[in-house]
Amino acid sequence: EVRLLESGGRLVQPGGSLRLSCAASGFTFRNYAMSWVRQAPGKGPEWVSAVSGSGTRTYYADSVTGRFTISRDDSKNTLYLQMNSLRAEDTAVYYCAKDPFAAPHYYFDYWGQGTQVTVSS
Amino acid sequence: DIQMTQSPSSLSASIGDRVTITCRASQGIDNYLAWFQQKPGKAPKSLIYAASSLQSGVPSRFSGSGSGTHFTLTIKSLRPEDFATYYCQQYSGYPPTFGPGTKVDIK
Repeated sequence: EVRLLESGGRLVQPGGSLRLSCAASGFTFRNYAMSWVRQAPGKGPEWVSAVSGSGTRTYYADSVTGRFTISRDDSKNTLYLQMNSLRAEDTAVYYCAKDPFAAPHYYFDYWGQGTQVTVSS
Repeated sequence: DIQMTQSPSSLSASIGDRVTITCRASQGIDNYLAWFQQKPGKAPKSLIYAASSLQSGVPSRFSGSGSGTHFTLTIKSLRPEDFATYYCQQYSGYPPTFGPGTKVDIK
């Protein structure tokens, strides 16, 4: 059974940093691209970032480019999102999502339950 | 970015009803359209990809159709576990973008 379990979300002040993790199980993690998708209260989801199955290619939404860094540790079956210079508009539930292919196709066959990030003073 | 719209934004239906949700793209996306279901506090569940292909394990009462800019998700006979919010998502253009959702609740 495929499982994706996010962690690391919490309340953080504007300008602060946070690292989210997504622990994967039930599939060969290194073979698949992974993404982070966020959803602010009352809004539709927003794709944030993706990493290829090899980890060599990364992709970012304009809204987070230069502030967020996606990475993966295939030895630990874990996906990460390092979030710096956080803003109030980054407040959202952050989901990790599995792509069906090694190169991102940007649709997802499995999702995690999400972790809440709140940016507020 | 490609804008996605959905209609209606919410609907009330009864068990056994046939439900249809519409999704439109601001420009043609061929069939690069996915649907997923979301319940409060739960992981989103992927239903359909390539506009009409069911993800593994998804009941056959769900179906998708469309191409270009106009797409539909149909639930043939609504079951209690189907009350949720449904989102469409395009993956033709970069970045991928999502619709605002359609909430299906009990009449």
